[in-house]
Amino acid sequence: DAKTTQPTSMDCAEGRAANLPCNHSTISGNEYVYWYRQIHSQGPQYIIHGLKNNETNEMASLIITEDRKSSTLILPHATLRDTAVYYCIVRVARNTGTASKLTFGTGTRLQVTL
Amino acid sequence: DGGITQSPKYLFRKEGQNVTLSCEQNLNHDAMYWYRQDPGQGLRLIYYSQIVNDFQKGDIAEGYSVSREKKESFPLTVTSAQKNPTAFYLCASSSAGTGVKSPLHFGNGTRLTVT
Repeated sequence: DAKTTQPTSMDCAEGRAANLPCNHSTISGNEYVYWYRQIHSQGPQYIIHGLKNNETNEMASLIITEDRKSSTLILPHATLRDTAVYYCIVRVARNTGTASKLTFGTGTRLQVTL
Repeated sequence: DGGITQSPKYLFRKEGQNVTLSCEQNLNHDAMYWYRQDPGQGLRLIYYSQIVNDFQKGDIAEGYSVSREKKESFPLTVTSAQKNPTAFYLCASSSAGTGVKSPLHFGNGTRLTVT
C-alpha cells in the first residue's frame, strides 16, 4: 500500500473551512484514498473515501487531483467538535472476503479555535 | 444502536500477569481487528480475523494472542511476553466484501497500564 504524507498539525477558525492536505505520490491506479479521524481518547471514525472522482457526504468533501498524487479533505464549516487527528490512508480495495486492514500513520492534528 | 464495545475503558495490571481485553460487536461484521496505539503514534495492527475460528498476525503480534470462537467476539490477551504492554488498545470490525464498501468501525478503546 502506498505511503502518505500529511502535515503534523493545522489550525482553523470555527466556522471556516478546514482544508487538510495529503500527499500520496506513489499511489497505484487501483488504490483508494480513505480518511478517518480520531478525537482524543476515542476510536477512529470513518469519514470518506474516493478513487479518482471528488466525493462529498454529510461530513466532508474529498478532492483528489487529476494525477491522484495528492488529495484534500474539506470540512466546510469547522466546529470545535472537529478538533481531532485526521488520518489519510491509501490502499487497494481487496477482493470479497478479505479483511480491510489499514495502516494508520501519525496524521494531522487539527485544532479548531474560537 | 449497533456498535463495538470494548471493556473496560481503563485496566491496570502488574508486570508478569496476562490480561485479556474484551471486544464485542453487534454489527454482524465478519472481520475484526486489534490495533495498538502509543502516545503520539499512529495505529499498529496486532491481529485480525476474517471469519470465525480463523485469525492472522498483524505487524506486531509478538506477545499477544487472540481467539475468535464467535462472530461477535474477538478477545485479545496481552501476555507476560509482551515487553511494553502499556498502550491504548483499539478493536475494530468491518463487513466482508471489498475494502471500499467496508470501512473499519472502531470501539472506544481500552487503556492498559502495566506497572
